[in-house]
Amino acid sequence: GIQVEQSPPDLILQEGANSTLRCNFSDSVNNLQWFHQNPWGQLINLFYIPSGTKQNGRLSATTVATERYSLLYISSSQTTDSGVYFCAVEESGANSKLTFGKGITLSVRP
Amino acid sequence: DSGVTQTPKHLITATGQRVTLRCSPRSGDLSVYWYQQSLDQGLQFLIQYYNGEERAKGNILERFSAQQFPDLHSELNLSSLELGDSALYFCASKRVGDTQYFGPGTRLTVL
Repeated sequence: GIQVEQSPPDLILQEGANSTLRCNFSDSVNNLQWFHQNPWGQLINLFYIPSGTKQNGRLSATTVATERYSLLYISSSQTTDSGVYFCAVEESGANSKLTFGKGITLSVRP
Repeated sequence: DSGVTQTPKHLITATGQRVTLRCSPRSGDLSVYWYQQSLDQGLQFLIQYYNGEERAKGNILERFSAQQFPDLHSELNLSSLELGDSALYFCASKRVGDTQYFGPGTRLTVL
């Protein structure tokens, strides 16, 4: 099956700093989603981005499908951004299940 | 709020027992997915239903089963529970051409 790798595994930031989270995938995909898992365990949809660039407030994401990677940018980070960020992909030609990466644990310190 | 509901939020039970987790999808979504998040396996796909029919299976143990009812809600049944089944279980729903929306999860603890 498809492999999804996220880097770095852990990230510690000072409040106000910017960061880039990366997701590499091993095969072509129909869909790519970024999620934020908050400390209560809830998975929150951030972006649905099979290709191109999208922005939502301080967050933006870019997926380059031909090169099989996606980037999530967080600008002016806040303590509420802390948590685990997951990238998940839906393989081309397969059923629509999502395959998740292992996640990136982000800690934003005040 | 994603519109997907799951009950119960927390479940504590003993080894060997059987439990049922329930999921109500967003209105109009025909597809329901179940995922398991454990410390050692990460987030992994278990099973998918579409309009009452099983559509795809992932790494779901034989002790686990699921179904989707005519009103589109779904139940995941876990039996002969083991310590290693302790995990967060998510349900997600989807309509064609849209993204998957996840429920808040059920945290299962097997003692």
